[in-house]
Amino acid sequence: ETGVTQTPRHLVMGMTNKKSLKCEQHLGHNAMYWYKQSAKKPLELMFVYNFKEQTENNSVPSRFSPECPNSSHLFLHLHTLQPEDSALYLCASSRFSRGGELSYEQYFGPGTRLTVT
Amino acid sequence: KQEVTQIPAALSVPEGENLVLNCSFTDSAIYNLQWFRQDPGKGLTSLLLIQSSQREQTSGRLNASLDKSSGRSTLYIAASQPGDSATYLCAVLTRGALLGKSTFGDGTTLTVKP
Repeated sequence: ETGVTQTPRHLVMGMTNKKSLKCEQHLGHNAMYWYKQSAKKPLELMFVYNFKEQTENNSVPSRFSPECPNSSHLFLHLHTLQPEDSALYLCASSRFSRGGELSYEQYFGPGTRLTVT
Repeated sequence: KQEVTQIPAALSVPEGENLVLNCSFTDSAIYNLQWFRQDPGKGLTSLLLIQSSQREQTSGRLNASLDKSSGRSTLYIAASQPGDSATYLCAVLTRGALLGKSTFGDGTTLTVKP
């Protein structure tokens, strides 16, 4: 496979469930991102990992827990979610130099449509 | 704090028309600006990336320009087709922002009528 892949594509879970979203990039990038996209709202950056280190936690509730075991894989662990967490969750990746002088395109996965009941 | 605005929020045109989508940003100290396309319920597809040192980029019927001093970018679509119907988003990577943190606009939803 090429590009950025996400699984599952659709997920329905109850408020007491625990589930995980998976993202994998096959582009040799060193930065990965989780975004949340709710209806009628702009993209919200949730987490950024550069070189496997989390560099951004954009005031995200603790019921969302990211994990980046290596530069190709990113997970978002979910537990005790609320109905308002229903959204499209998008993963992206890009390549960066350490100093940030060189910047490259972000590539997005197809997203996971999450519904919390 | 960088703010990105896209005007109009929605646009409907007949097939074959040339059109321009606008993106404005408040902080001109940027690394790059990227235009994306998003189909309903899908992920984002990168269309064009303009580095801060560049004035424009072209890909097929698409042309994106960048004027850093005025904080503006435009996406020009020539000879629009029904398949161009989608939401178009611009994203700005600001210097000094946390590494990798882009700011997105709200998008322009384009409908091209056959």
